[in-house]
Amino acid sequence: EVQLVESGGGLVQPGGSLRLSCAASGFTFSSYWMHWVRQAPGKGLVWVSRIKGDGSTKNYADSVKGRFTISRDNAKNTLFLQMNSLRAEDTAVYYCARDFGYDFTVNCFDPWGQGTLVTVSS
Amino acid sequence: DIVMTQSPDSLAVSLGERATINCRSSQSVLHSSKNKNYLAWYQQKPGQPPKLLIYWASTRESGVPDRFSGSGSGTDFTLTISSLQAEDVAVYYCQQYFSSPLTFGGGTKVEIK
Repeated sequence: EVQLVESGGGLVQPGGSLRLSCAASGFTFSSYWMHWVRQAPGKGLVWVSRIKGDGSTKNYADSVKGRFTISRDNAKNTLFLQMNSLRAEDTAVYYCARDFGYDFTVNCFDPWGQGTLVTVSS
Repeated sequence: DIVMTQSPDSLAVSLGERATINCRSSQSVLHSSKNKNYLAWYQQKPGQPPKLLIYWASTRESGVPDRFSGSGSGTDFTLTISSLQAEDVAVYYCQQYFSSPLTFGGGTKVEIK
């Protein structure tokens, strides 16, 4: 069974940092692009970042470029999101999601993890 | 960026009746050489992550009931639930994957009348 489990969320002050993790199981992790998508409380979905299976290509939404870094450890089947210079508007549930395509990116998402809540507040 | 606009924001439908959700993109998401529309639909039930229902605008994901169908091309798309069931209460989102940044519609909340 394909499973994605996020962790690392919590309360952080504005300007602070947080590192999210997503543990993957049930599939060949290195063969898939992976994504982060966030959802502010009561709001819609916003794509944040993606990374190629071998880690060689990374892309970001403009709203997080220069502050967030996506990475992966294929030996440990784990995806990461390093979030620096956090702002109140980064408050959201952060989901990791597997790309629909195998060995190439389609850029839609299936499946999704359960999400981890990040709250940026003083 | 491609802007995705969904309508209505919410709708209430009687059990067994049809629900129709619309999604419009600010630019065409039809890849002409591949003849594919880069459009997906997701269902998000309360307290749960989204679930992929439909991709390439009209292809149902494995395990999705056939009462869910997607249609449309270019800039105008529709998700139809042919006979609403109680378990279909959720927010539905469209998403374009034609170009980066990947963008979602604002969501349509479906409730039981």
